[in-house]
Amino acid sequence: GENVEQHPSTLSVQEGDSAVIKCTYSDSASNYFPWYKQELGKRPQLIIDIRSNVGEKKDQRIAVTLNKTAKHFSLHITETQPEDSAVYFCAASKGGGFKTIFGAGTRLFVKA
Amino acid sequence: GAVVSQHPSWVICKSGTSVKIECRSLDFQATTMFWYRQFPKQSLMLMATSNEGSKATYEQGVEKDKFLINHASLTLSTLTVTSAHPEDSSFYICSALRRKGVAFEQYFGPGTRLTVT
Repeated sequence: GENVEQHPSTLSVQEGDSAVIKCTYSDSASNYFPWYKQELGKRPQLIIDIRSNVGEKKDQRIAVTLNKTAKHFSLHITETQPEDSAVYFCAASKGGGFKTIFGAGTRLFVKA
Repeated sequence: GAVVSQHPSWVICKSGTSVKIECRSLDFQATTMFWYRQFPKQSLMLMATSNEGSKATYEQGVEKDKFLINHASLTLSTLTVTSAHPEDSSFYICSALRRKGVAFEQYFGPGTRLTVT
């Protein structure tokens, strides 16, 4: 079945450093890849997304890259800040956002 | 932006009773909503796809008779956990799909924390 693998499960960085989270997906028909940030006890918040016709997208300190051939995509956070500490989920879906499968999540700690 | 609400935000019930959770899209119509459950420190697990005016589609391993889903209007889907047991205790999150051009965006509700004693 459809599967999304995410690594690492935990990531600790110093404030100001970069953080990279990587995901791979199994369904080659997937065409929409959102990233969510979830703080404890709260709803997931969409932080950036990328569609299969694009290789890279950037929004201020956050960027996402997509390699369709290898079926993997990555989240890059630069100049990390303590408020970036949260759990980050990658996801993949078909139909431009229909029925999303989530990765296992990465717990990011940014140390001041 | 699009807003999705859930009610209640938390509920405690006794084993054997049923609990209903509501998911509403407040400022857009959603023909499709999704129900997820999330255990502590784990990912969101898709339980079912709720379709307005038709039967829900359940993921493998999810008991349709235990988790009843009703999507009676374009802004409301309900999840009823029947004969709840302590192992049903979890964080239940809904989401609603909003069409954006030829694609969709998914908006999440704030979640409902269910504790079964």
